[in-house]
Amino acid sequence: KQEVTQIPAALSVPEGENLVLNCSFTDSAIYNLQWFRQDPGKGLTSLLLIQSSQREQTSGRLNASLDKSSGRSTLYIAASQPGDSATYLCAARGGRGYGQNFVFGPGTRLSVLP
Amino acid sequence: DAGVIQSPRHEVTEMGQEVTLRCKPISGHDYLFWYRQTMMRGLELLIYFNNNVPIDDSGMPEDRFSAKMPNASFSTLKIQPSEPRDSAVYFCASSSGTSYNEQFFGPGTRLTVL
Repeated sequence: KQEVTQIPAALSVPEGENLVLNCSFTDSAIYNLQWFRQDPGKGLTSLLLIQSSQREQTSGRLNASLDKSSGRSTLYIAASQPGDSATYLCAARGGRGYGQNFVFGPGTRLSVLP
Repeated sequence: DAGVIQSPRHEVTEMGQEVTLRCKPISGHDYLFWYRQTMMRGLELLIYFNNNVPIDDSGMPEDRFSAKMPNASFSTLKIQPSEPRDSAVYFCASSSGTSYNEQFFGPGTRLTVL
């Protein structure tokens, strides 16, 4: 059964810092991995999608990497801003017997202090 | 595009009542997913459809839950009878198999069962 974990559960940093959020999955036979952002009381916003054949994806100040062999993905946020404060979730799609199912991690709650 | 549309945004009902949640996916998307999010269990996949056909409903908690997708632009999730433990935020998401199945989420329906 695919299990997804995220470390740390919560993170508080001063504005301007570069930071890394971690995502681990147990079944490396995934089709892709997607990072989302969720603001309090809101839905999920897609940030980056990495295909299983890719090593990384970049969008603005965000960079996501994928290492299938070790079952890990990282989300790197450069020059953090207070507006980056939110919960970040990763979701792994597929794996043996999982088809189109996405399995979500519990999220990392990020606070960027001005 | 208007994105994934869900209604109602908030629903308060009494135990034993029937609840129907509605979703309109992004036009052209061939996959539709229903999720439930709670503090205790995080984000859980309930069921997903491909081309209006239910593919995997193994996440549906019990027979009180049912989902339908009568056409490509509309889906419902019904709970009958509702119970207090069904209180959660219910999200609908859609994706396209031709776009690597990147998922796009609706704003969610916050359900409270008294």
